[in-house]
Amino acid sequence: DSGVTQTPKHLITATGQRVTLRCSPRSGDLSVYWYQQSLDQGLQFLIQYYNGEERAKGNILERFSAQQFPDLHSELNLSSLELGDSALYFCASSLGLQDTQYFGPGTRLTVL
Amino acid sequence: AQSVAQPEDQVNVAEGNPLTVKCTYSVSGNPYLFWYVQYPNRGLQFLLKYITGDNLVKGSYGFEAEFNKSQTSFHLKKPSALVSDSALYFCAVKYSSASKIIFGSGTRLSIRP
Repeated sequence: DSGVTQTPKHLITATGQRVTLRCSPRSGDLSVYWYQQSLDQGLQFLIQYYNGEERAKGNILERFSAQQFPDLHSELNLSSLELGDSALYFCASSLGLQDTQYFGPGTRLTVL
Repeated sequence: AQSVAQPEDQVNVAEGNPLTVKCTYSVSGNPYLFWYVQYPNRGLQFLLKYITGDNLVKGSYGFEAEFNKSQTSFHLKKPSALVSDSALYFCAVKYSSASKIIFGSGTRLSIRP
């Protein structure tokens, strides 16, 4: 158990809908990262927050957004969902910007 | 461009034999190098990392990796494979001037009894 929690574990929804994925980092970690893992794209970095502020952006679509709250938990919002958004979404956390990342168990999103 | 490569999609090894999972990285500054393992339906688990110092890094579950600057490689090794080592392994790199981590495409390790 890495100490990073993600909810929900599974999510099934329809095209065009909007969902919110939630992540709680390990106690004391200030940095949160979001990743998408799909069969054809591998593990893709989406976005990073550090102590509430966005610090790095990867291959995140405009339909996706994220934020980190004052209590350091983070949410990833996915809107106007498409079939291709079906994937595993992982959250990771680290103490600082250069430290080892610890991953949560992931949220499996299925868009029908 | 900053990148990391895992040239083998799959590695097959008999139980008890040594295993190597290959990783190479592009040269840019001073890299921080990581190995992660992913078991089915689980998140990635940290195995080991190289920041500086001794080129041979020891990690979890008996794994080790050797940083080779001249060959820009960071291969993962284990002297004696176990069936339970079967999983997906990711090499990753980040550079001291950036906070973004770059993951390789992953290598599926299969250990046969």
